[in-house]
Amino acid sequence: DIQMTQSPSSLSASVGDRVTITCRASQTISSYLNWYQQKPGKPPNLLIYAVSTLQSGVPSRFSGSGSGTDFTLTISSLQPEDFATYYCQQSYTTLYSFGQGTKLEIK
Amino acid sequence: QLQQWGAGLLKASETLSLTCAVYGGSFSGHYWNWIRQPPGKGLEWIAKINHSGRTDYNPSLKSRLTISVDTSKNQFSLKLRSVTAADTAVYYCARQTDYGDPRDAFNIWGQGTVVTVSS
Repeated sequence: DIQMTQSPSSLSASVGDRVTITCRASQTISSYLNWYQQKPGKPPNLLIYAVSTLQSGVPSRFSGSGSGTDFTLTISSLQPEDFATYYCQQSYTTLYSFGQGTKLEIK
Repeated sequence: QLQQWGAGLLKASETLSLTCAVYGGSFSGHYWNWIRQPPGKGLEWIAKINHSGRTDYNPSLKSRLTISVDTSKNQFSLKLRSVTAADTAVYYCARQTDYGDPRDAFNIWGQGTVVTVSS
């Protein structure tokens, strides 16, 4: 099984800040890495797939990078609607797995 | 759009049964997934099925799972037998477009169904 580990688990930031969330896979997953945003009481929403491709409608302040085992999600300038929990997910093997989540809170 | 339904309150040892209907778009060319989220916790992939009935299951749940598809209604369903309190979670259905490459991702989600198992 592939384990996905995100850091940090929680993060406090202010509107306008640049924020980076890291995701590490327990083995190489090539470019099979996706990012989701989840707000309370809602299903996750796909932000980025294949490491760095923005899903339609996702603002350009979101970006993704990485390869192999180490990946990052960056929000260039936090907006009020960005405060949520973020999950990475690997689709390299069919036993899909998610990171434990990073909760982004307002400072 | 995905719309899901099913019983929300179960007793231990009963069978969880959920259905997800697909509205708009093609039913083929995608995998249809079930994913769950225990209260205050992260996401766990459960199983997937395509329009022809090809399935994959999470090995940790496989012995209790059945996933099926009804192409005449554009629906797919999940049954999880012998539930315990550990199966209490929000259950989501989700679409995964079958590119067979890194573009595979869960790109549309159902609204979620809260399932509580009492002892």
